[in-house]
Amino acid sequence: EAAVTQSPRNKVAVTGGKVTLSCNQTNNHNNMYWYRQDTGHGLRLIHYSYGAGSTEKGDIPDGYKASRPSQENFSLILELATPSQTSVYFCASGDYGISNERLFFGHGTKLSVL
Amino acid sequence: QQQVRQSPQSLTVWEGETAILNCSYEDSTFNYFPWYQQFPGEGPALLISIRSVSDKKEDGRFTIFFNKREKKLSLHITDSQPGDSATYFCAASVRNSNNRIFFGDGTQLVVKP
Repeated sequence: EAAVTQSPRNKVAVTGGKVTLSCNQTNNHNNMYWYRQDTGHGLRLIHYSYGAGSTEKGDIPDGYKASRPSQENFSLILELATPSQTSVYFCASGDYGISNERLFFGHGTKLSVL
Repeated sequence: QQQVRQSPQSLTVWEGETAILNCSYEDSTFNYFPWYQQFPGEGPALLISIRSVSDKKEDGRFTIFFNKREKKLSLHITDSQPGDSATYFCAASVRNSNNRIFFGDGTQLVVKP
């Protein structure tokens, strides 16, 4: 079974601080995604990547940066965290093609910005 | 413009009843529609999916009905169980492409014993 691991599982940060959320996948998938989930908004796409070295803006990229240094790792960076970024963040990996048409999600990172 | 819409936002049914979750989409080029199930504290996981060439897909107690002309689909959960209590996301994409997948806002289902 494909595996996506997020760290940390929980994070408390201060306003104005820098936060890095990490994601590792062992699926050898080209595509990786960062979503945030808030009540009433479902899953909103922040950034995604088609492979090492690439990052693309999703629907709500403001205030976030992403980094894909390798096939396995995809990070989400909040340079100046704000309370509005308090949320649950999910990383996912996937490949779209004939044999593989599903996203595999991590367990999520609960971020609280105080 | 939201590409995928779901209704209702929340749904409560009794154990043994059929739960019906609705979904509609905007882009007529979408041809692949997965449904994801999410339990509290976990990430979503693929439950069942359908391609636009089919009008029905069944997997045990879970059935997708698809209406291409109206750009609507629904997920029916028959003989609902308390263990089915979860949030269900409808999604849409273009199969065999590297285009992104679009998610609806989800339906939170509660099955009462």
